[in-house]
Amino acid sequence: AQSVTQPDIHITVSEGASLELRCNYSYGATPYLFWYVQSPGQGLQLLLKYFSGDTLVQGIKGFEAEFKRSQSSFNLRKPSVHWSDAAEYFCAVGPYSGGGADGLTFGKGTHLIIQP
Amino acid sequence: NAGVTQTPKFQVLKTGQSMTLQCAQDMNHEYMSWYRQDPGMGLRLIHYSVGAGITDQGEVPNGYNVSRSTTEDFPLRLLSAAPSQTSVYFCASSYSRGVGYGYTFGSGTRLTVV
Repeated sequence: AQSVTQPDIHITVSEGASLELRCNYSYGATPYLFWYVQSPGQGLQLLLKYFSGDTLVQGIKGFEAEFKRSQSSFNLRKPSVHWSDAAEYFCAVGPYSGGGADGLTFGKGTHLIIQP
Repeated sequence: NAGVTQTPKFQVLKTGQSMTLQCAQDMNHEYMSWYRQDPGMGLRLIHYSVGAGITDQGEVPNGYNVSRSTTEDFPLRLLSAAPSQTSVYFCASSYSRGVGYGYTFGSGTRLTVV
């Protein structure tokens, strides 16, 4: 079965500093990879996704992520964070392979704190 | 505004009570699904539907029922609530089956079972 690991439960970054959130996955084939962001009390919003092609993908809000097959990683980056980026970030892989279901397997999330 | 609407936003149940969490989308999406989110666990798939009249189980289906009588609605039923079902529930929809189309999530229902 597939799995997603986000090694960092919490990350604190100063406003204006660069950001990298780590994501490692285990998947039996070429995965579809996603990053979602969840603001407090809100649902999840898609930041970006990777299916194939260029391994560096651009998303909304100035985020980008790089797919590295050799490292089974899909790390999320932003060159300069803003206070409004404080949120929970989830990496996900799909499709879900348990029992033929369609869906995503999510990591446990990384809570991003922005220091002024 | 087009999107996924979940009701109620908050609910407290007593053990053994039943209730239905509502989910409606107005984007004519074929695919709809329910996830639960627990602290430190990420999101886990409960049930999903690839179209009206078609539903199937996800990763954690026990204790939950679903039906899909229309394209727009995908309610989640708890027949006999248990404290282990205390969670935040998210409904998500997509244009079609397959994760490639991307999901639109509702804002969630926070359920507490006492």
